[in-house]
Amino acid sequence: DAKTTQPNSMESNEEEPVHLPCNHSTISGTDYIHWYRQLPSQGPEYVIHGLTSNVNNRMASLAIAEDRKSSTLILHRATLRDAAVYYCILRQLYNFNKFYFGSGTKLNVKP
Amino acid sequence: ETGVTQSPTHLIKTRGQQVTLRCSSQSGHNTVSWYQQALGQGPQFIFQYYREEENGRGNFPPRFSGLQFPNYSSELNVNALELDDSALYLCASSNPRDGAYEQYFGPGTRLTVT
Repeated sequence: DAKTTQPNSMESNEEEPVHLPCNHSTISGTDYIHWYRQLPSQGPEYVIHGLTSNVNNRMASLAIAEDRKSSTLILHRATLRDAAVYYCILRQLYNFNKFYFGSGTKLNVKP
Repeated sequence: ETGVTQSPTHLIKTRGQQVTLRCSSQSGHNTVSWYQQALGQGPQFIFQYYREEENGRGNFPPRFSGLQFPNYSSELNVNALELDDSALYLCASSNPRDGAYEQYFGPGTRLTVT
């Protein structure tokens, strides 16, 4: 199974940038990298995804290493509403697009 | 646009019993995936249904089975419940034509096996 490794927890101050790392050393050439977050008592929600190039959207940026063995989710200005568990996921394109979740990073945002 | 809904919200069963969990997919989505999320862990893929056929399965035994109906809603059935089956069960719907393959998750069903 595709595997991702993330720190268990991280802490940030409100309105400061946050960099959430993820290692996926066994990634294959056709695996997509997705990030989802899960707020308490809710299902996960989409944040961003990419294959090889760095990606930006209204929520975050995704920086992918050149060898694709690691990636970093960047929240440019953390807010209290960003406190959640962030999951780094590999989607296997040629395996029915299965999603393989990591164990997640719990982000705590301090006011 | 109605989001993904799941029922029931909570459920308590006894070891050895059978359980059926239900999921209504988001409008326009023909693919439903089911996940098991143990406490403090990330969701683990159980299986996926596309147009009423199972088309992908994770490392779960055959006592975990499912169905998808013509309206793309889905059921997850678990037979011979074990204590380790206690978890949050999530379903997610998606549309393969969506290039992001974004999955829309429901709030989950919390199953407790005693």
